[in-house]
Amino acid sequence: NAGVTQTPKFRVLKTGQSMTLLCAQDMNHEYMYWYRQDPGMGLRLIHYSVGEGTTAKGEVPDGYNVSRLKKQNFLLGLESAAPSQTSVYFCASSYEWEAYGEQYFGPGTRLTVT
Amino acid sequence: KNQVEQSPQSLIILEGKNCTLQCNYTVSPFSNLRWYKQDTGRGPVSLTIMTFSENTKSNGRYTATLDADTKQSSLHITASQLSDSASYICVVSVEASGGSYIPTFGRGTSLIVHP
Repeated sequence: NAGVTQTPKFRVLKTGQSMTLLCAQDMNHEYMYWYRQDPGMGLRLIHYSVGEGTTAKGEVPDGYNVSRLKKQNFLLGLESAAPSQTSVYFCASSYEWEAYGEQYFGPGTRLTVT
Repeated sequence: KNQVEQSPQSLIILEGKNCTLQCNYTVSPFSNLRWYKQDTGRGPVSLTIMTFSENTKSNGRYTATLDADTKQSSLHITASQLSDSASYICVVSVEASGGSYIPTFGRGTSLIVHP
């Protein structure tokens, strides 16, 4: 099993450009999450999904959109990138809601917005 | 002020030595407290998960303790190895609006193990 994979691993965007980050999991998990990790700060939850076709806002959702059209995939979109969105983005998945079950993280996507 | 505070911010120890990392939190109520290990350039990996009613949980050379009264947790690493060099992150799942729980991450303790 590959676990949780993320595409791409690195990306440089110019301000105003758009892009989509792809997260895929092969563990048949219901729950998926997008986090961002900034230097000197803990990971922060952007959006999450409790099942196929559902999404919900986390702690820092502004400037991001998500979709969960298939159970195994969770997409994070930036419609108009800003330098403040420079960060490392992690996707995670879990069998139970994170409050009760173990989360499995992907390797991360390092995004730089110039 | 961060709701989950970890100390020390960084720590250097010699291979074979023990160490203890601290996590103090102010949030309540919470459903569980977790410790993660994050290697450089990698995603976090779960080490232990404790509910508020548990006070200790072990995973090999890693032992986590929880005192819900003082809102403190510690992660003890026994007989450290070079591969223990990583960032160790404390996470508390906090009750949010609507009855859901949102994870609150500490900033982590950076551990370096020297030979």
